[in-house]
Amino acid sequence: EPEVTQTPSHQVTQMGQEVILRCVPISNHLYFYWYRQILGQKVEFLVSFYNNEISEKSEIFDDQFSVERPDGSNFTLKIRSTKLEDSAMYFCASSETGRTEAFFGQGTRLTVV
Amino acid sequence: AQKVTQAQTEISVVEKEDVTLDCVYETRDTTYYLFWYKQPPSGELVFLIRRNSFDEQNEISGRYSWNFQKSTSSFNFTITASQVVDSAVYFCALSEALTGGGNKLTFGTGTQLKVEL
Repeated sequence: EPEVTQTPSHQVTQMGQEVILRCVPISNHLYFYWYRQILGQKVEFLVSFYNNEISEKSEIFDDQFSVERPDGSNFTLKIRSTKLEDSAMYFCASSETGRTEAFFGQGTRLTVV
Repeated sequence: AQKVTQAQTEISVVEKEDVTLDCVYETRDTTYYLFWYKQPPSGELVFLIRRNSFDEQNEISGRYSWNFQKSTSSFNFTITASQVVDSAVYFCALSEALTGGGNKLTFGTGTQLKVEL
């Protein structure tokens, strides 16, 4: 069964460093998303991406964040200069159309020390 | 603004008991979708169901059933004859169509379900 794949499963980084979280969405899906879940809290929308551009971003998604689909299969989230409060589980998701359900990857747990 | 409320923070049941997880939502959209996701201890989010706002028919899938009541803005989830493997956090979510394409999910705070032997 097709699934969304995220790497790495766990990333530890020092404050101020750049990190890139990687995702391979389901192959025939056209809409891509990143969500974040701070430990013990609810899942929050970060950004949606369609037709090679951001369609919407949340207030959380400031200038430190960027997304890219560099090669037609990967979908990446970059955090330029990580802060302690960026520590969270980051979920990538994809959907076939704008109205169908989003399927989530297993998440990348980012720990900023 | 969209809002999803899951008032039950944690529920503990004994195996084989039935359990209902509540979800109440707020939206100004006339067309929307509601979802339930399961987050087991391993952390991933597992899609369970999607419901169109125009379809109020209740749905049953094995031991799972969903009761969508538009009049009370609720979308409750019942697990019949619960099992230990059902132990997880369950999230209700509401979608909002995005102008630029796609949809954005607003999640509730989740209900931690613990099923004990």
